[in-house]
Amino acid sequence: GAVVSQHPSRVICKSGTSVKIECRSLDFQATTMFWYRQFPKQSLMLMATSNEGSKATYEQGVEKDKFLINHASLTLSTLTVTSAHPEDSSFYICSAADTSSYEQYFGPGTRLTVT
Amino acid sequence: QKEVEQDPGPLSVPEGAIVSLNCTYSNSAFQYFMWYRQYSRKGPELLMYTYSSGNKEDGRFTAQVDKSSKYISLFIRDSQPSDSATYLCAMSYITGNQFYFGTGTSLTVIP
Repeated sequence: GAVVSQHPSRVICKSGTSVKIECRSLDFQATTMFWYRQFPKQSLMLMATSNEGSKATYEQGVEKDKFLINHASLTLSTLTVTSAHPEDSSFYICSAADTSSYEQYFGPGTRLTVT
Repeated sequence: QKEVEQDPGPLSVPEGAIVSLNCTYSNSAFQYFMWYRQYSRKGPELLMYTYSSGNKEDGRFTAQVDKSSKYISLFIRDSQPSDSATYLCAMSYITGNQFYFGTGTSLTVIP
């Protein structure tokens, strides 16, 4: 199946700093990528939908100025958590939609810890 | 009311048992139904998908969709300890579009 990578897999940062997470589709082109966050023992919560070459669409309650999303190419989307705070600590997962199928392929996730 | 409802469990079964996992949904416009398996601290991996109503079998896994009842199921036969994970149902309106996830059911298969 298609492969989606995320980098880094784990990051620890200090409160007030910014962190960038990359999501790459390795063997297919993804016009749409999705960013989720997941708290322990909870389901995935969609944060935003990212379309290549256009602005991301954010879900209600997600601050677009805090969670900056860039989808500059068909294989790369980035999520930047700006001025991170401890409550931003979470598991962030991206997925990429193959343009030719119904499937979303998920990345392995990035665990962010803000101290 | 949530779009997708799923009992979070936890569910604990002995090895070899048949496991039944279920989700209900409220929007009859959903067309694509998926089951994902997620191990701890990992991203979800696709197990099964079904378009519209019907059954689909893949090895020990069977997915069922009953659109009239807005109910989907995943059956695992001859469950193994390696099946211990969280199982998430997901559904969407059209291909490549937003997925709506259930909360996930935590399954433990005891050797």
